Amino acid sequence: DIVMTQSPSSLTVTAGEKVTMSCKSSQSLLNSGNQKNYLTWYQQKPGQPPKLLIYWASTRESGVPDRFTGSGSGTDFTLTISSVQAEDLAVYYCQNDYSYPRTFGGGTKLEIK
Amino acid sequence: EVKLEESGGGLVQPGGSMKLSCVASGFTFSSYWMSWVRQSPEKGLEWVAEIRLKSDNYATHYAESVKGKFTISRDDSKSRLYLQMNSLRAEDTGIYYCTKTARASFAYWGQGTLVTVSA
Repeated sequence: DIVMTQSPSSLTVTAGEKVTMSCKSSQSLLNSGNQKNYLTWYQQKPGQPPKLLIYWASTRESGVPDRFTGSGSGTDFTLTISSVQAEDLAVYYCQNDYSYPRTFGGGTKLEIK
Repeated sequence: EVKLEESGGGLVQPGGSMKLSCVASGFTFSSYWMSWVRQSPEKGLEWVAEIRLKSDNYATHYAESVKGKFTISRDDSKSRLYLQMNSLRAEDTGIYYCTKTARASFAYWGQGTLVTVSA
C-alpha cells in the first residue's frame, strides 16, 4: 500500500500569511503514460465532509480560490495558500489516487490566530 | 447540483449487520463510479469500497480491512448506492460517506451517516 505522510500535523498562522504544507508518498504517483501525478488534496472544515480542492497534483477544482496552489511530482507534493483567510480554517488531506487501495494522509490542521 | 444523501447508520452490536444506502441526484448516476469512504478519529479517512459501471460488469474494489465482510452494490434505476456490512466490529465505527468519482476518486461527498458498533 502507498503510505501518505503529511507535515506538519498542525500549524497556526495569522490571516494574510503564506502557508505551505507537505505531503510525501511512499511510492511515485506519476503516471508515465500521461505524465500526470495522481495526487489529490481535500479541505475539511469543521462539521463538514471533505471537499475536493486540487487534483492531478496541481489542477484547481472549479470554484476553488486561486490562493490555493498545488505543486510537486513523483513522491513530494506541496499545498500552498498564498494569503490565508479566516475561512480557510480546516484540515487538509492529501490522497493517493494512483493505485489501490486509495490512501489518505493523516491531515494538516490549519488554525488561524 | 450534485447531491448525495446517506442513510441507514446507527448503533449495532459487535458481530451484527447493517446496510447503508445513498441516494444520488443532480447527475446521471449510472455513468459514474461510486465509492464509500469512512472516517474515524482513530484511523482518519479510509477508503472502503468502489463500484464501477454496468459496462464494467459492475466491477468492485475493496479495502483489505473489509474484504469478505462488506459488499458494495448499486441500483442505477433508483440512483442508489448501497453498502452491506456484516460481522461488524468496534473498529468499523465511524462516519460513512458516499462519494462520486469525477476528476478525482472522491470528487463529491455526502454529509455522511454515523455507524457505531458497540455492545
